[in-house]
Amino acid sequence: DAGVIQSPRHEVTEMGQEVTLRCKPISGHNSLFWYRQTMMRGLELLIYFNNNVPIDDSGMPEDRFSAKMPNASFSTLKIQPSEPRDSAVYFCASSSGTSLNEQFFGPGTRLTVL
Amino acid sequence: AQSVSQHNHHVILSEAASLELGCNYSYGGTVNLFWYVQYPGQHLQLLLKYFSGDPLVKGIKGFEAEFIKSKFSFNLRKPSVQWSDTAEYFCAVRRNNAGNMLTFGGGTRLMVKP
Repeated sequence: DAGVIQSPRHEVTEMGQEVTLRCKPISGHNSLFWYRQTMMRGLELLIYFNNNVPIDDSGMPEDRFSAKMPNASFSTLKIQPSEPRDSAVYFCASSSGTSLNEQFFGPGTRLTVL
Repeated sequence: AQSVSQHNHHVILSEAASLELGCNYSYGGTVNLFWYVQYPGQHLQLLLKYFSGDPLVKGIKGFEAEFIKSKFSFNLRKPSVQWSDTAEYFCAVRRNNAGNMLTFGGGTRLMVKP
C-alpha cells in the first residue's frame, strides 16, 4: 500500500485566499484524522471521521475551517479565507480496528499564508 | 478531561547515553498506549504500542517502553542513544470508549550530540 497520501506537499498562498488540502487514507481504513502542527501549539487534532461521518470536530479552530469526507477514499480540509496564523503543517492520518487503532500518518502539507 | 503529559519538553544527550522520556496520562479506564517519533522534516511514525500482556514493550530501533498501570505511566527508554535518534517523540493514549481517536502528549524534542 502507498500509505496515506496528502496533496499538495507545500502550499504558499496569500491572506484571504481559499486553501484546500487533500487526503487519501489507506485503503480499508475506516477512520480519518486531520491534525495541525505548529511550534507554538504542538500537534492538535482538528477533526476525526469514522466511516465518512464527522465524529469530533471540537478541534476545528473556527468557521473558516471546514472538512469533508465524501467517500471512504478521500477527504478535504478547507480554509476560507486563510490567515497568516493558519500557517502550519497539516497532517492527515488513518486507522482501522484491524490495525489495532494505530494511526498511520501522511507526509503532511506545509501551508504558508503570507 | 483526559490528558497526556510529557514533562520533558527538551532533552539533550550525548551519544551512548541512556534515554528515558516520561509519559503520564490521566484516564482511569482501559487504555492503549503508543509512542510515535517524528524525525526532522518528516511525519509521525510508530515506535511501539501497548495493548495487553507483557507491560514491557519492545519497539523498533532498540526502543522499549514500560506500562506501569499504578502510576498511569508509559515511559520510553533506550539504553544507548545515537545521533540518528534526534527527533521529537510523542506519547499517545487511546481510551477504550474513544473509537480510534488518540490523545497525544505535547512531545519531547530530543537532541543527541555526536
